[in-house]
Amino acid sequence: EAQVTQNPRYLITVTGKKLTVTCSQNMNHEYMSWYRQDPGLGLRQIYYSMNVEVTDKGDVPEGYKVSRKEKRNFPLILESPSPNQTSLYFCASSLWGQRIHYSNQPQHFGDGTRLSIL
Amino acid sequence: KQEVTQIPAALSVPEGENLVLNCSFTDSAIYNLQWFRQDPGKGLTSLLLIQSSQREQTSGRLNASLDKSSGRSTLYIAASQPGDSATYLCAAAFGGNAGNMLTFGGGTRLMVKP
Repeated sequence: EAQVTQNPRYLITVTGKKLTVTCSQNMNHEYMSWYRQDPGLGLRQIYYSMNVEVTDKGDVPEGYKVSRKEKRNFPLILESPSPNQTSLYFCASSLWGQRIHYSNQPQHFGDGTRLSIL
Repeated sequence: KQEVTQIPAALSVPEGENLVLNCSFTDSAIYNLQWFRQDPGKGLTSLLLIQSSQREQTSGRLNASLDKSSGRSTLYIAASQPGDSATYLCAAAFGGNAGNMLTFGGGTRLMVKP
C-alpha cells in the first residue's frame, strides 16, 4: 500500500531533550516536506526536500533540523525542544521533484505526530 | 506576502444540500491549487488538484474550479452526506521559489446533519 509513515504518533517529552520524528514513504517520491499544524495558525511548512541531499527552509524552520540521506526517509530533528514546539506535525511526499513538470502531482500526507513538550 | 484565506471557518448544512466552499489567494502566479480533506485526528487526504492551466477538476460529487484572475477557487459538493463532515483545506503552490512550497488556508469545518 502506498503510504507515508510517521513515528511516533504521539510523544510527550521535556524541554531540551533531543528528539527525532521519522518519516518514510514507499512511493519513490522525490519531494518530501514537514508541516506543523496549530489552532488558529493552520498548517505551516517547516522544511522541504526536493531530492536526496537537497533541503530548504519553509516558513517556520527555527528550532528544527532535517536530513535527506535516502530518498524514502526524511526525519525531523528537534535538537533542544521547547514548549512552543508543541504541535501536530505532518510529513508529506510528492512526485513533485521538478515543480513545473510535475505540477499535477498531489502531496500525500502521513497521519501526523502529536508532540507535547513540557 | 502570499496568503490563502478560507471563509467561512465553519459551515453546517442539512443532508442532501449542494454546497460551495470558498478559497481565495493573494497572488495569481500559482502553479496549482489543491483541496484536501482532514478528519479529526487524521492526516490530510488530497481530493482534487487544479493546475494553473486548468479551470476545473471533477471527482465524483466534487468539483473544484480555479479563477486565477480573481484569486479564487471553489469546491462544490453535490448532494452532501453526513460522511462529508470534515475540515476542508485548500493550499496553493505559488510561483518563484515558493513554487516548491504549499501555503494553506485556515480551513472550513463542514458538518452535514442527517
